[in-house]
Amino acid sequence: EAQVTQNPRYLITVTGKKLTVTCSQNMNHEYMSWYRQDPGLGLRQIYYSMNVEVTDKGDVPEGYKVSRKEKRNFPLILESPSPNQTSLYFCASSLARPGTEAFFGQGTRLTVV
Amino acid sequence: EDKVVQSPLSLVVHEGDTVTLNCSYEVTNFRSLLWYKQEKKAPTFLFMLTSSGIEKKSGRLSSILDKKELFSILNITATQTGDSAIYLCAASYTGNQFYFGTGTSLTVIP
Repeated sequence: EAQVTQNPRYLITVTGKKLTVTCSQNMNHEYMSWYRQDPGLGLRQIYYSMNVEVTDKGDVPEGYKVSRKEKRNFPLILESPSPNQTSLYFCASSLARPGTEAFFGQGTRLTVV
Repeated sequence: EDKVVQSPLSLVVHEGDTVTLNCSYEVTNFRSLLWYKQEKKAPTFLFMLTSSGIEKKSGRLSSILDKKELFSILNITATQTGDSAIYLCAASYTGNQFYFGTGTSLTVIP
């Protein structure tokens, strides 16, 4: 089954404790991205990657890191989480070809206390 | 500044009503307009519109794009409680990146 898999689905952590949210897709998509969703603000892009070893900042990259060592995986790293990073996070993937839709993971609900 | 704006932000209707959701966009190197439905979790794809004036239809849902006026509408006829969700509009641009609107929250009450 074609899918984007994120883990964990829920995470509560303390300020400053490094964490990683994993994302994996099995559709051989070139393009992967991370979004955060906050009430009234919609989906805002954090980072994206056009292919292996190619990453770039989205609209709200501060406090986040990513890597793309393999085509299927695109982990999101929070080196020192803060309470303002409490949010719902989505990973998405798509073909790089225009005119194709993005597929989303199930989301990770992160709470930083 | 590139942006995608959806209206209304929130809508409450009775079962059987028809609703129209709006999405306007100003995006450089625009490619296509997408609609997603988000229930409890991940957004799921509904439509992609690339050409102006051609309606896409799926059951009770339909959508159309106006590339001259830079907007799209999503219509839902004979609404059901299962239509309750957040509806997201996204504009794709250069390569295949996406700008998302803030969404319209639709609640259908019996």
